[in-house]
Amino acid sequence: EVHLVESGGGLVQPGGSLRLSCAASGFTFSTYAMDWVRQAPGKGLEWVSAISATGNSAYYADSVQGRFTMSRDNSKNTLFLEMNSLAAEDTAVYYCATDEGSVRGPTSLDCWGQGTLVTVSS
Amino acid sequence: AIQMTQSPSSLSASVGDRVTITCRASQDIRNDVSWYQHKPGKAPKVLIYGASTLQSGVPSRFSGGGSGTDFSLTISSLQPEDYATYYCLQDFKYPWTFGQGTKVEIK
Repeated sequence: EVHLVESGGGLVQPGGSLRLSCAASGFTFSTYAMDWVRQAPGKGLEWVSAISATGNSAYYADSVQGRFTMSRDNSKNTLFLEMNSLAAEDTAVYYCATDEGSVRGPTSLDCWGQGTLVTVSS
Repeated sequence: AIQMTQSPSSLSASVGDRVTITCRASQDIRNDVSWYQHKPGKAPKVLIYGASTLQSGVPSRFSGGGSGTDFSLTISSLQPEDYATYYCLQDFKYPWTFGQGTKVEIK
């Protein structure tokens, strides 16, 4: 069974940094692209970033480009999101999800973690 | 970035009703759309991918359609467990973008 567990969320001051992790199990992590999606309080889902199965390519939403960096360690089945220059607008629950695009033609975000809350406030 | 305009933003419907939600893309995105159901406090769940392919395990009352710029998600007979917020997602081009969401409420 696929299992994704996010961690690293918490309270951080504006301008600060935080590193989220997503521990994966139950599937061949190194063959899947992965994504981060967030939901701010009272708002809808927002796609944040994606990384290829090998980790060689990463893509970002305009709202986080230049501030967030997505990476992965396939030897440890772990995904990361390094977040810098955080602002109040980054307050959200952050989810990691498997991206079927690397194993199937039409893609979708099939399996999700339960999310980790990031609060940016002074 | 490609914009996904989803409508309506909310709707009230009764059990057994047929419900249709639409998404319009700001450019041609072929059939690169998936649909998600999201309930409070839970992880989102994929319902449809490739615009019209039903995800394994998802009830057949859910269906998706469309191509190019106009897409739809239909629930043929609304069930109590279907009350949730629904989102479309375009995966045609990075950055991917979600629609604003449609909250389906009990009438």
